[in-house]
Amino acid sequence: QVQLQESGPRLVKPLQTLSLTCTVSGGSISSGGYYWSWIRQPAGKGLEWIGRIDTSGSTNYNPSLKSRVTISVDTSKNQFSLKLNSVTAADTAVYYCARALYYHESSGRQDWLDPWGQGTLVTVSS
Amino acid sequence: DIQMTQSPSSLSASVGDRVTITCRASQTISNYLNWYQQKPGKAPKVLIYAASSLQSGVPSRFTGSGSGTDFTLTISSLQPEDFATYYCQQSYSTSWTFGQGTKVEIK
Repeated sequence: QVQLQESGPRLVKPLQTLSLTCTVSGGSISSGGYYWSWIRQPAGKGLEWIGRIDTSGSTNYNPSLKSRVTISVDTSKNQFSLKLNSVTAADTAVYYCARALYYHESSGRQDWLDPWGQGTLVTVSS
Repeated sequence: DIQMTQSPSSLSASVGDRVTITCRASQTISNYLNWYQQKPGKAPKVLIYAASSLQSGVPSRFTGSGSGTDFTLTISSLQPEDFATYYCQQSYSTSWTFGQGTKVEIK
């Protein structure tokens, strides 16, 4: 079955760019018409959706992060990536990648996040 | 942005109890509502999608209901492995949002 794995630097300095990659195994990122998402969770807090991308490269972002976030996809490597600019300590969190399963119904498209990667803790500190 | 508000934020319950968690959307979202379970140190796992559809492999003691702005996750008979934090998430808009979570603890 499809599995996702996050990778990237665990420590980022303030005002620099956080960069993470999610590698998809067990299936092609290009097939199926899925959305691929990033979600984060500060320690002891709830989940925050960061954004999503489809394999045509179309993106949607959380409005509160939109000015600092870029999500991209590399179908040749079966990966998608997250870049978050100008980070501060408030961006310290566990970052998850996930695929959105879906089906179409008469009123639109239902999406839900499954599976998720195991998550990676990124700390912003000098 | 669509805001999702869960209640309660936490609850204490015993094994065998019936537990109900509610989630309210700041605007109508039809049935575009999913429920996740998260255990400490683990990634969330989907339980219910499209408000009431049970994800494959999830025990039938979990049920979801609701439409519009008000939704409910019910655990019919709480089991030891169900002590966790539960999140709702809307997929109605192009900017998805989660509720703040409900922690289910052992009484």
